[in-house]
Amino acid sequence: AQSVTQPDIHITVSEGASLELRCNYSYGATPYLFWYVQSPGQGLQLLLKYFSGDTLVQGIKGFEAEFKRSQSSFNLRKPSVHWSDAAEYFCAVEGGSYIPTFGRGTSLIVHP
Amino acid sequence: DARVTQTPRHKVTEMGQEVTMRCQPILGHNTVFWYRQTMMQGLELLAYFRNRAPLDDSGMPKDRFSAEMPDATLATLKIQPSEPRDSAVYFCASKMTGLDKNIQYFGAGTRLSVL
Repeated sequence: AQSVTQPDIHITVSEGASLELRCNYSYGATPYLFWYVQSPGQGLQLLLKYFSGDTLVQGIKGFEAEFKRSQSSFNLRKPSVHWSDAAEYFCAVEGGSYIPTFGRGTSLIVHP
Repeated sequence: DARVTQTPRHKVTEMGQEVTMRCQPILGHNTVFWYRQTMMQGLELLAYFRNRAPLDDSGMPKDRFSAEMPDATLATLKIQPSEPRDSAVYFCASKMTGLDKNIQYFGAGTRLSVL
């Protein structure tokens, strides 16, 4: 069975500050890992994905994430947050069934 | 720009009424998902199809919910009869299952309010 935990329900940062959103997963082998973003009233949009290879992956909007097998983590980072980054962020894990399991999401609040 | 299209975007109905939500997946995608999102439960997988065949609907209340895929361009989610606890945002997503294209694309959702 696969599962994913996003420990932080809300994160508040100041505009221009750096950001790290945490994601921990449980799966017996190397999974596929995803980060999605959801703006109010919208569906989920893919930010980035990890399938294999380089453990540091780059995504859209200046986001990156690092896969750490030893820690079962796939944390999302951005060096400088913009007000438009305020949204809900979802981490997802997918195994051999090709059916993803989503975390509960982290709500990002950006202060000016 | 290929996208998943959901209709209607908003639906307000009274308890006991039938509700049908529609989804047009991205052309060529072979897997279609239905999700429900609420504040309390987060994002729940209701059902999914691969090559139009229903593979798993264990997340769906069977007595009132039904999901079908009459053809490759249309997936439907029906609630009959609807109840206030069904109020939520329902998302459809599609993907082409496979190593390089294994990315899920979401529609904008149907916001359902059952009074």
